[in-house]
Amino acid sequence: QQQVKQSPQSLIVQKGGISIINCAYENTAFDYFPWYQQFPGKGPALLIAIRPDVSEKKEGRFTISFNKSAKQFSLHIMDSQPGDSATYFCAASLGSNYQLIWGAGTKLIIKP
Amino acid sequence: ETGVTQTPRHLVMGMTNKKSLKCEQHLGHNAMYWYKQSAKKPLELMFVYNFKEQTENNSVPSRFSPECPNSSHLFLHLHTLQPEDSALYLCASSQEPDRAYEQYFGPGTRLTVT
Repeated sequence: QQQVKQSPQSLIVQKGGISIINCAYENTAFDYFPWYQQFPGKGPALLIAIRPDVSEKKEGRFTISFNKSAKQFSLHIMDSQPGDSATYFCAASLGSNYQLIWGAGTKLIIKP
Repeated sequence: ETGVTQTPRHLVMGMTNKKSLKCEQHLGHNAMYWYKQSAKKPLELMFVYNFKEQTENNSVPSRFSPECPNSSHLFLHLHTLQPEDSALYLCASSQEPDRAYEQYFGPGTRLTVT
């Protein structure tokens, strides 16, 4: 199964709070799980990525948690700021066939 | 900026028109992609080129015709489009096949078919 299921579709978080976006997959052959951030009028930009042999990766306020047995991974944004308001996409890579399988996106709004 | 440029940024065309979208990457990457982005849907991969050779064509209607004259330039030729083709068309590039998870996107062309 090639799908990546992302939830929620939209999320509103107070400034300073933790934003959590979840994704689930079926294909155990996926070899990288990136998260992309997209602002209005811009293309998606790689935020952070994780391999399936790592349970957690942190870059600044952004953390990916990976649960291989549950086939789930999530993005946590700590101390969320209004500038984090964007659409976030999870994805899964099959490496040598160049393709990324994308989630449907989560529109995140951080309230001041 | 990302190093990937797209022109035009906005395009309105009738169903009988012919137009082309252009993408250029200044990153020295070997792979280039065309995506279609519609609201509340996953990005749809249309075409992939690796070293100028098309490697993927995800069942895209023939009214969309890609062209990759070299590894820095990518075109999408459009003709006799339908209103449901209205969307944001994104171009992306990546360095190596095993780094396909790391793609660099242009800002997109917002296409409206009337």
